[in-house]
Amino acid sequence: TQLLEQSPQFLSIQEGENLTVYCNSSSVFSSLQWYRQEPGEGPVLLVTVVTGGEVKKLKRLTFQFGDARKDSSLHITAAQPGDTGLYLCAGLIQGAQKLVFGQGTRLTINP
Amino acid sequence: NAGVTQTPKFQVLKTGQSMTLQCAQDMNHEYMSWYRQDPGMGLRLIHYSVGAGITDQGEVPNGYNVSRSTTEDFPLRLLSAAPSQTSVYFCASTYLFTGASGYTFGSGTRLTVV
Repeated sequence: TQLLEQSPQFLSIQEGENLTVYCNSSSVFSSLQWYRQEPGEGPVLLVTVVTGGEVKKLKRLTFQFGDARKDSSLHITAAQPGDTGLYLCAGLIQGAQKLVFGQGTRLTINP
Repeated sequence: NAGVTQTPKFQVLKTGQSMTLQCAQDMNHEYMSWYRQDPGMGLRLIHYSVGAGITDQGEVPNGYNVSRSTTEDFPLRLLSAAPSQTSVYFCASTYLFTGASGYTFGSGTRLTVV
């Protein structure tokens, strides 16, 4: 059973389109992190959200933490081919130093 | 600034062989962990350590051992390799109990057990 459900698992869209990736759980997390992973490399941290309802922006990427700290979303505006990659959400379990991951979203942006 | 260094990058083992995957970090992070990554399953936690001399099990610890004799090093031992352990293994580290601090990952070890 996956503690964090990420959707969609695969997404292929055209350059310039917008997209949203979702990360949902029935558990409460003390923080939610988003990573991006390139082939042959380890995940690289994009952002950490800590407060319920928090919104963080990283250029064309907008991250939101749900009010109840159980879910998060990643929205990309005007996607570019350079955004192609595997996006992973990860939640830090409350009261324990354990980071659990969703299955990942493999994003392909076509020129 | 090396970050997290994993060796080897690739390894092929025969069923029943043992080996050690090495992980070293130079950021003075208290926390270190091992994950395995399999298609469609994200990363699953194998073992973790909150400091030298302290280790604990994650979601999928069976078939793996760890030890933490120094802050810098956290090796992962496969006792008797099985084909089900074919995977990509990542070591990660971070500061303890700072929910806003992200994890730093190594570049991975791709292990094939035949």
